[in-house]
Amino acid sequence: QLQLQESGPGLVKSSETLSLTCAVSGGPISSSRHQWGWIRQPPGKGLEWIGTLYYGVTTYSRSSLKSRVTISVDTSKNQFSLRLSSVTAADTAVYYCASEMGYSSRTWFDPWGQGLLVTVSS
Amino acid sequence: SHDLTQSPSVSVSPGQTASITCSGDKLGDQSAFWYQQRPGQSPVLVMYQDTTRPSGIPERFSGSNSGNTATLTIRGAQAMDEADYYCQAWDSGAVVFGGGTKLTVL
Repeated sequence: QLQLQESGPGLVKSSETLSLTCAVSGGPISSSRHQWGWIRQPPGKGLEWIGTLYYGVTTYSRSSLKSRVTISVDTSKNQFSLRLSSVTAADTAVYYCASEMGYSSRTWFDPWGQGLLVTVSS
Repeated sequence: SHDLTQSPSVSVSPGQTASITCSGDKLGDQSAFWYQQRPGQSPVLVMYQDTTRPSGIPERFSGSNSGNTATLTIRGAQAMDEADYYCQAWDSGAVVFGGGTKLTVL
């Protein structure tokens, strides 16, 4: 049973870079069955896809965030990471990591990590 | 913009049937997915590829997708089903989520 756990700072200053890590247990991160994604949820609002790293090489991301998003994988530590640069208060949210499964444009997220609240302060 | 539209809220009496809808242009030509998010918890997948229940999801959950609307149906709703429900699909190379529907069981 795959399990994911986010970690990182809960407070980031405006204009700086948000960096989060997702530790994967219960299976190898190099498995081709799983791709690795990040989703966020602003307080009291809905889910917003940030991006997904496919086959450890290619990142697809939300168009409004594309220039600021980097997703990478560390197979030696069985974890993947998110970097979001030049953050503002609008980036305050609970950040979830998740395994993306499926094929082509028919993919879904399962399971999800427990989530980590990141607040951007001025 | 590429939107999936959900009603903000749905109410159902215990034991009755709740239908939660998700609308998007030609959504029936794609696959729809559904997540349940209980208060303070992470989302959980409850339906994938329109009609398939993951292991561990009760049989009272079912799904359909045709035309411009995907529907998540909960037959015999229980208090434990009270949660926010989100639909998800793909549009122009990007993952999109609906705005969410709060299901109240009372």
